[in-house]
Amino acid sequence: EDQVTQSPEALRLQEGESSSLNCSYTVSGLRGLFWYRQDPGKGPEFLFTLYSAGEEKEKERLKATLTKKESFLHITAPKPEDSATYLCAVRSNYGQNFVFGPGTRLSVLP
Amino acid sequence: NAGVTQTPKFQVLKTGQSMTLQCAQDMNHEYMSWYRQDPGMGLRLIHYSVGAGITDQGEVPNGYNVSRSTTEDFPLRLLSAAPSQTSVYFCASSYQGDTEAFFGQGTRLTVV
Repeated sequence: EDQVTQSPEALRLQEGESSSLNCSYTVSGLRGLFWYRQDPGKGPEFLFTLYSAGEEKEKERLKATLTKKESFLHITAPKPEDSATYLCAVRSNYGQNFVFGPGTRLSVLP
Repeated sequence: NAGVTQTPKFQVLKTGQSMTLQCAQDMNHEYMSWYRQDPGMGLRLIHYSVGAGITDQGEVPNGYNVSRSTTEDFPLRLLSAAPSQTSVYFCASSYQGDTEAFFGQGTRLTVV
C-alpha cells in the first residue's frame, strides 16, 4: 500500500530563517511526486512535480529535491507570504490516483 | 479561464438528507476526482473518473455516488448524510492521471 508521511506537522520560522520540510514515501514504483501549497479556506495549488531520484526544481524561494525514499522542500529566506500548509503527494505505477500526506503547516513571522 | 469550479462553498445538512456537490472544469481535462479533507488525515480519494461515462471508487467511497455524463461536469451525491461526512470536499481535474491536479476552492459540509 502506498504511504506518505510529512514532518514536521507544524513549523514556525522567523522571516529570513531558512529551513526544510520532509516528505517520506513508500510506493510500489514511483511515477511522480508532487508538492502543493494550500492557503486557509482554499484548494491546493500545484508547485512542483519530481519524477526521478536526484531531480531538483526551483521556484522563487522554494526548492524541491527527491531521493528514492523522500523529498525535501527547502525554503530559503522565507517571507510571511510563504505561510501556508504544504502538501506532498505521490502517484505510483500501480495506484489509481494520488496519495497525499497530511501536510506541514508553515508559519513565517515578520 | 475559471479552472475548477465547485458549488456550494458552504452547506449544512441534517442527518439523513441528500444533496449534490457540483464540480465543473473548463480545461478539457479527462481525469476528475473528488477528495475529502479532514484534520490530520490529508486528502483522501472518494471517487474518480478517467473520462465521460467512466467512474471508479477511491479509498473512501461509502455513502457517496458519482456520475460523469460530460467531460466538464463531475457531481458528487451524498445519498443519506451522516455526521461522519462532515468534512471539506475538493474536486480536482488533471490532463492525465499522472500530471498535476488543479483543485477547486472546496465545499465545507457540516452534517448535524
